[in-house]
Amino acid sequence: QVQLVQSGAEVKKPGASVKVSCRASGYTFTSFGLSWVRQAPGQGLEWMGWITGYNGDTKYAENFQGRVSLTRDASTGTAYMELRRLRSDDTAIYYCARDAGAYYPFDLWGQGTLVTVSS
Amino acid sequence: NFMLTQPHSVSESPGKTVTISCTRSSGSIASKNVQWHQQRPGSSPTTVIYENNQRPSGVPDRFSGSIDSSSNSASLTISGLKTEDEADYYCHSYDNSNHRVFGGGTKLTVL
Repeated sequence: QVQLVQSGAEVKKPGASVKVSCRASGYTFTSFGLSWVRQAPGQGLEWMGWITGYNGDTKYAENFQGRVSLTRDASTGTAYMELRRLRSDDTAIYYCARDAGAYYPFDLWGQGTLVTVSS
Repeated sequence: NFMLTQPHSVSESPGKTVTISCTRSSGSIASKNVQWHQQRPGSSPTTVIYENNQRPSGVPDRFSGSIDSSSNSASLTISGLKTEDEADYYCHSYDNSNHRVFGGGTKLTVL
């Protein structure tokens, strides 16, 4: 069925990097983009960036510029979010969401991946 | 960049109507589309309104969206409230570079 399945929970130390995957199924991966959104414990949603499934073009939120990289493997229908130089305030649930642009809904969300940053 | 400001919480009784606002701090609310997302506790968000007032398939018509240029805000209205509508609601819109910007979220209590 149409779904986004994310990789499992991660525990990282401050200063390390984490790479979360988001595997799409049930639709043509290259016809849609994906946004990455995070949610710290008890906090709201924060947009991190967007990648197109078609050619890998990206947009990044200013808050994460230089620390996050979004990539994708069209052959497997998988997108990746790598966050570097982790801090304790990066502890959050990270979501991918299908995002075809301003005229379309975020109509599909992954189940979320908990990333815990702790020494 | 701009901010989207939502009330921290709202509450209403079952069967009533509630409206949640989302005010854009700079630039016209009408310049970019607004979406609304519902997040129940422990679950991923789902989108209930896109393109200001469009409902994705499967979203009941009790949910409606609008924008008001005079107050530079968007609104989500839920009529015939049900206990299952109790959730956090987030608006989001776009800046001139099509970066997505989320509001801080509103906790809806149906009591």
